[in-house]
Amino acid sequence: GNSVTQMEGPVTLSEEAFLTINCTYTATGYPSLFWYVQYPGEGLQLLLKATKADDKGSNKGFEATYRKETTSFHLEKGSVQVSDSAVYFCALSRNTGGFKTIFGAGTRLFVKA
Amino acid sequence: EPEVTQTPSHQVTQMGQEVILRCVPISNHLYFYWYRQILGQKVEFLVSFYNNEISEKSEIFDDQFSVERPDGSNFTLKIRSTKLEDSAMYFCASISPRSTDTQYFGPGTRLTVL
Repeated sequence: GNSVTQMEGPVTLSEEAFLTINCTYTATGYPSLFWYVQYPGEGLQLLLKATKADDKGSNKGFEATYRKETTSFHLEKGSVQVSDSAVYFCALSRNTGGFKTIFGAGTRLFVKA
Repeated sequence: EPEVTQTPSHQVTQMGQEVILRCVPISNHLYFYWYRQILGQKVEFLVSFYNNEISEKSEIFDDQFSVERPDGSNFTLKIRSTKLEDSAMYFCASISPRSTDTQYFGPGTRLTVL
């Protein structure tokens, strides 16, 4: 079946450090891939997405590239800020059937000043 | 920009009581969803709804759960007899017919069962 695996947290970084959160997926066909962010006490916000192989999604300094050959969609940011502290969810959605979203377990990021 | 809205933001109920969680999807969207997130855990799919019927449901979505689109705008999730383990954040989502690759999530309803 379809699934998403992402690196366990928490990840603790100092401000301005480089961030990578690994995500790999298992899916039939050609899913769309997403990163969602959840700030403390809030709902889910779409951070970025990519809908086909080699697409790069980007937003607010975050980037992720859809790598079909390695079935990965790793999230990166060159210089994190304290305000980036949140839980990050990698997710996929099949482009057929009911289009439901399947989420990874989430990775909590702490950024220290 | 249009948004998915959910009410209430926080619901506290006694075990065994019925609760109804309400969602107003974006107006021209056609697919509707409920997801659940137990505190500190992953977001789990519950049910999808299209053309006034359930199109898919997960193992979590047992006979205690039901969904309804009672009018042209609301989409509800009913839990008939709540259990302690139903305590979670419940997210509603919807999809545009023109862009089926992206779900728009509401802010969530935090359900606390005592």
